[in-house]
Amino acid sequence: AQSVAQPEDQVNVAEGNPLTVKCTYSVSGNPYLFWYVQYPNRGLQFLLKYITGDNLVKGSYGFEAEFNKSQTSFHLKKPSALVSDSALYFCAVRGGGGNKLTFGTGTQLKVEL
Amino acid sequence: GAVVSQHPSRVICKSGTSVKIECRSLDFQATTMFWYRQFPKQSLMLMATSNEGSKATYEQGVEKDKFLINHASLTLSTLTVTSAHPEDSSFYICSAPKAGASTDTQYFGPGTRLTVL
Repeated sequence: AQSVAQPEDQVNVAEGNPLTVKCTYSVSGNPYLFWYVQYPNRGLQFLLKYITGDNLVKGSYGFEAEFNKSQTSFHLKKPSALVSDSALYFCAVRGGGGNKLTFGTGTQLKVEL
Repeated sequence: GAVVSQHPSRVICKSGTSVKIECRSLDFQATTMFWYRQFPKQSLMLMATSNEGSKATYEQGVEKDKFLINHASLTLSTLTVTSAHPEDSSFYICSAPKAGASTDTQYFGPGTRLTVL
């Protein structure tokens, strides 16, 4: 069975500071890893994904994520946070050969002035 | 990106009635669509996989007779909550994978807020 852990329910960061939202995963075979963002009462918006290739993946809105196979992690990062980045972030994984995504419990990011 | 729409965005109904939610892929074809349920401040729970031209596949613990899924075309899947009760109140989200050069990325609809009185 595949699973995702997001150990932090909430992350607070000051605007302009770097942010990191943590994610670790467990899956059989090669992982396909995704980050999505959700604004209040909205569906999920795709940010970025890792399938293969470079461990550092760049996505929308200046976000990036680093795939670390030895630590089974896929942490989301941004060099300089904006207040508008405040939202709920979900990490998701699926194993090769299937379409089912397993989501983490989400991390609420709050960026303050 | 790709666009997935849902209709309605919000619905309030009386207990015992049925509610239909539509999910459409607007600019791509989707032989598979997924239906999720999200409780407040919680993650998405996969309910079922909708397959065009065949029966849906339900996750363990999801009542197929209560949550009827129909995937009538390559761009439309519907979820009908039958004999709705207050405990069915939730945020329902659909997604559809769009085939890419390497692998599929799922694109999500904006969600439907169901409130059963």
